Amino acid sequence: DGGITQSPKYLFRKEGQNVTLSCEQNLNHDAMYWYRQDPGQGLRLIYYSQIVNDFQKGDIAEGYSVSREKKESFPLTVTSAQKNPTAFYLCASNNGLAQTPGELFFGEGSRLTVL
Amino acid sequence: GQQVMQIPQYQHVQEGEDFTTYCNSSTTLSNIQWYKQRPGGHPVFLIQLVKSGEVKKQKRLTFQFGEAKKNSSLHITATQTTDVGTYFCAGSNSGYSTLTFGKGTMLLVSP
Repeated sequence: DGGITQSPKYLFRKEGQNVTLSCEQNLNHDAMYWYRQDPGQGLRLIYYSQIVNDFQKGDIAEGYSVSREKKESFPLTVTSAQKNPTAFYLCASNNGLAQTPGELFFGEGSRLTVL
Repeated sequence: GQQVMQIPQYQHVQEGEDFTTYCNSSTTLSNIQWYKQRPGGHPVFLIQLVKSGEVKKQKRLTFQFGEAKKNSSLHITATQTTDVGTYFCAGSNSGYSTLTFGKGTMLLVSP
């Protein structure tokens, strides 16, 4: 089955700890994205990558870091510098930015709770 | 930066009633997409509109893109309990930019 796999589904961490969320896709998409969703809020873009070994900051990149060493993988690290990390994190992919961007395919999300 | 506003934030209807959510952008959009997120789930793509004044239908769902390409709407005719969820619009400016999401409209349908 083609799709996006995020892990873990639920994660608890203590304040001051870094945590890495995994995102893997087998859709052969060029572009991958990380969004943050808070209750009653829309999706806010954290980072995105259009090609291997390249990525750009989104609207709320502070306190987060990413890497794109393989086309299939785009892990997100939530660092201790992120002041309010408790949220639902969604990874997505598509064929990349274009005059008319393609639909986003989302993973099932990772819910992070900081204790 | 680009802002996409969506109203209402929340709507509760009786099964069989109609429902509409509206999306307004502060800038002209090159395209707009609509997504549905079921409770506890992830967003799923519904449709994309790219042309000024475009209207598309999917069974009971009707999507419109405004003539000025700054607003859009999603109308559901005769809602069913399976329509429950949050509906998001997302738009991008011309020039290969990323999508900006509205905050969504949460729809609750009572049987």
